[in-house]
Amino acid sequence: DTGVSQDPRHKITKRGQNVTFRCDPISEHNRLYWYRQTLGQGPEFLTYFQNEAQLEKSRLLSDRFSAERPKGSFSTLEIQRTEQGDSAMYLCASSLGLFGGTGELFFGEGSRLTVL
Amino acid sequence: AQKVTQAQTEISVVEKEDVTLDCVYETRDTTYYLFWYKQPPSGELVFLIRRNSFDEQNEISGRYSWNFQKSTSSFNFTITASQVVDSAVYFCALSAQAGTALIFGKGTTLSVSS
Repeated sequence: DTGVSQDPRHKITKRGQNVTFRCDPISEHNRLYWYRQTLGQGPEFLTYFQNEAQLEKSRLLSDRFSAERPKGSFSTLEIQRTEQGDSAMYLCASSLGLFGGTGELFFGEGSRLTVL
Repeated sequence: AQKVTQAQTEISVVEKEDVTLDCVYETRDTTYYLFWYKQPPSGELVFLIRRNSFDEQNEISGRYSWNFQKSTSSFNFTITASQVVDSAVYFCALSAQAGTALIFGKGTTLSVSS
């Protein structure tokens, strides 16, 4: 399978715990995005990387959220001290950037977080 | 600021009916890109189409067609002769340039019954 893969697919945690999600993008894609989607809403942008550089962060991304893409390949999204409001589907997507890309994002199946 | 509005929250049709999903966008950029994505019950977002701001030609792909009108800032999506498999949530999205973050609308849930 050469699509975007995310792990874990489901995570149930207690309030106050830390969680980490991993995303493996399509191998030749230099851009990687994190989105959050709650029930009945469209995906909300959180942050994106070009290679290992984090180019943009949404104001939605509080200090408890941190994302990394250390070698420009896979990425992790960590949420510290989880709150019930963090319960959502966390979506990862990848794309080719300005050079050689047409802009469409390819999404993974998402990681569903439930905070009790 | 960029914004995408999909005023129709839910639409229900019977198979073989035509249906149009509306999308209105706001941006101050002169160059921008518009997208439609489909999210079936399985959950994974599937890319349908991309349009740049300089190309106002309408596009047809099988039963799908898209009408882009800069004058009204709209990018509407029509499914002709709908089928049950078209049941999904459809999202319209906007980005300032290729490869930057997409801003999504809230989506329209389409239910097609047999």
